[in-house]
Amino acid sequence: DAKTTQPTSMDCAEGRAANLPCNHSTISGNEYVYWYRQIHSQGPQYIIHGLKNNETNEMASLIITEDRKSSTLILPHATLRDTAVYYCIVRVASTGNQFYFGTGTSLTVIP
Amino acid sequence: GAVVSQHPSWVICKSGTSVKIECRSLDFQATTMFWYRQFPKQSLMLMATSNEGSKATYEQGVEKDKFLINHASLTLSTLTVTSAHPEDSSFYICSASPYGTTYNEQFFGPGTRLTVL
Repeated sequence: DAKTTQPTSMDCAEGRAANLPCNHSTISGNEYVYWYRQIHSQGPQYIIHGLKNNETNEMASLIITEDRKSSTLILPHATLRDTAVYYCIVRVASTGNQFYFGTGTSLTVIP
Repeated sequence: GAVVSQHPSWVICKSGTSVKIECRSLDFQATTMFWYRQFPKQSLMLMATSNEGSKATYEQGVEKDKFLINHASLTLSTLTVTSAHPEDSSFYICSASPYGTTYNEQFFGPGTRLTVL
């Protein structure tokens, strides 16, 4: 069962930072926060994940609040190709553990 | 990153026929694979967890006799939609995690679009 709440949709100007929020107020101590995105009619693509520290990779940054009840995915310089549905998922990190997807945020990058 | 493939990418079939969808991990082994279904403008819904060498675990509300899952090797899982009907038309997606590594993320296949006439 999805344990996250995300805004249904957001717009972002091309070249600007896209900040996508996620609430996960019932997160457990051993659950990670994962972010995936899905471009239309494709399989989801892994973006980033974290436990409690902020994380950064070549795609994005993940900011997790100190109480871990919410997080923000940051795409530093959004491009048109970043238009997609972004899913925030909380899950115990184990190979056999399932991902349950919520409704996600539909991000539209505007030229 | 790790690659997961699906075959076919799309299929059209007549009502009452069965359709098999393959999910392969191309450059890693996976003891566990997952199958999802996605209807238009909706999120992914987990259908079942496929375990190599054992029976699949189905989510509540998913008919195990209708959606047959076989995970015969560490790189292949198949989903067979038996006696397909138009309401089974959907986008089917599989995923897998590499076995024996510290990877935490799952890698998803490109999906298979099933249309039942």
